[in-house]
Amino acid sequence: AQSVSQHNHHVILSEAASLELGCNYSYGGTVNLFWYVQYPGQHLQLLLKYFSGDPLVKGIKGFEAEFIKSKFSFNLRKPSVQWSDTAEYFCASHTGRRALTFGSGTRLQVQP
Amino acid sequence: GAVVSQHPSWVICKSGTSVKIECRSLDFQATTMFWYRQFPKQSLMLMATSNEGSKATYEQGVEKDKFLINHASLTLSTLTVTSAHPEDSSFYICSAGVTGGVEQYFGPGTRLTVT
Repeated sequence: AQSVSQHNHHVILSEAASLELGCNYSYGGTVNLFWYVQYPGQHLQLLLKYFSGDPLVKGIKGFEAEFIKSKFSFNLRKPSVQWSDTAEYFCASHTGRRALTFGSGTRLQVQP
Repeated sequence: GAVVSQHPSWVICKSGTSVKIECRSLDFQATTMFWYRQFPKQSLMLMATSNEGSKATYEQGVEKDKFLINHASLTLSTLTVTSAHPEDSSFYICSAGVTGGVEQYFGPGTRLTVT
């Protein structure tokens, strides 16, 4: 069965610091990958997605992610975080089955 | 973009009672909807796949007789938590996808508290 791993459970950064959140997936076939963000008290919002093509994907709010097939990774990056980026971040994968498989999430806390 | 709504957004019920949660796709038709559960500070866990006009498919460990799912139309799926207990307290989230598409659109979630 496919699985998604997020190794950073809680990340604390100062404003303007660079961010990289790790995500690894287990499925060896064709896979679609997503990053979602959940701000406190709000619902999931899609940050970015990878289906095919350019492995460097740009999303909303200055986020980007790079799909590295050889490493089964899809890490999320942002050059300079803001206090408003404080949230829970979820990596998810989708294969032939339509439901998403979510990672355990990473809580990002940005200190002003 | 596609919008999914859930109702209610927040419900408190007494142990032993049943609660119904609605999930609606507002501006698109969804033959398949998904129900997830999220415990505090944890990830989303798929509970079941709701298929319009047929029986839902439940994940291993999810009691189908306790979590009744009805997908009566292309825009509405309901999750009924029967004989709720405090351990059922959680955040329930539905998602839906456009027929034939890959991307999922998530509802805002329903927070259930069983006292």
